[in-house]
Amino acid sequence: SAVISQKPSRDICQRGTSLTIQCQVDSQVTMMFWYRQQPGQSLTLIATANQGSEATYESGFVIDKFPISRPNLTFSTLTVSNMSPEDSSIYLCSAEQETQYFGPGTRLLVL
Amino acid sequence: GENVEQHPSTLSVQEGDSAVIKCTYSDSASNYFPWYKQELGKRPQLIIDIRSNVGEKKDQRIAVTLNKTAKHFSLHITETQPEDSAVYFCAARPSGNTPLVFGKGTRLSVIA
Repeated sequence: SAVISQKPSRDICQRGTSLTIQCQVDSQVTMMFWYRQQPGQSLTLIATANQGSEATYESGFVIDKFPISRPNLTFSTLTVSNMSPEDSSIYLCSAEQETQYFGPGTRLLVL
Repeated sequence: GENVEQHPSTLSVQEGDSAVIKCTYSDSASNYFPWYKQELGKRPQLIIDIRSNVGEKKDQRIAVTLNKTAKHFSLHITETQPEDSAVYFCAARPSGNTPLVFGKGTRLSVIA
């Protein structure tokens, strides 16, 4: 199974600023995904991070707000731009290797 | 697109009893159905999965059944223990290299 790490594990940010979350997988994977999870809620897919091409965003999520990079088959970043308190959430990276595995998440609080 | 409904949203059982969580899906092309367990403050962890060519799969105290005709699948936990207390998510994959679609989760509490 894929082992996934994320940085930072948590952060407190001021509104209007941006935060970049890094996701590292211990092996090459074809598919990587970014999810958001509000406390007590399910997992909401933000986008699929495609290696070598632009990410595929789900309805309600746009590239200007959540730019994603996927420079190779083991790494991806998600940036939360121009943050507001509504962006406070847990952001989870996921990678596909026969099934989907999840990173430990980044707990973001926007003041 | 695929839609996954999960019931119940909360479930309390006495230690030693069985727990059953049910999910339905809408896309008949879906072919992969994993279950995840998420403990408080931790990442979702895969506990069992089933593919559309199999009707049932068991792993110790955990089993999953799939009814393709009715488009529903269920998680069964027998002889529940306090450490089974967590949120459980079902998911379905519509086809090929597409991301999983998750249910809303079931908070299971096992009372000692």
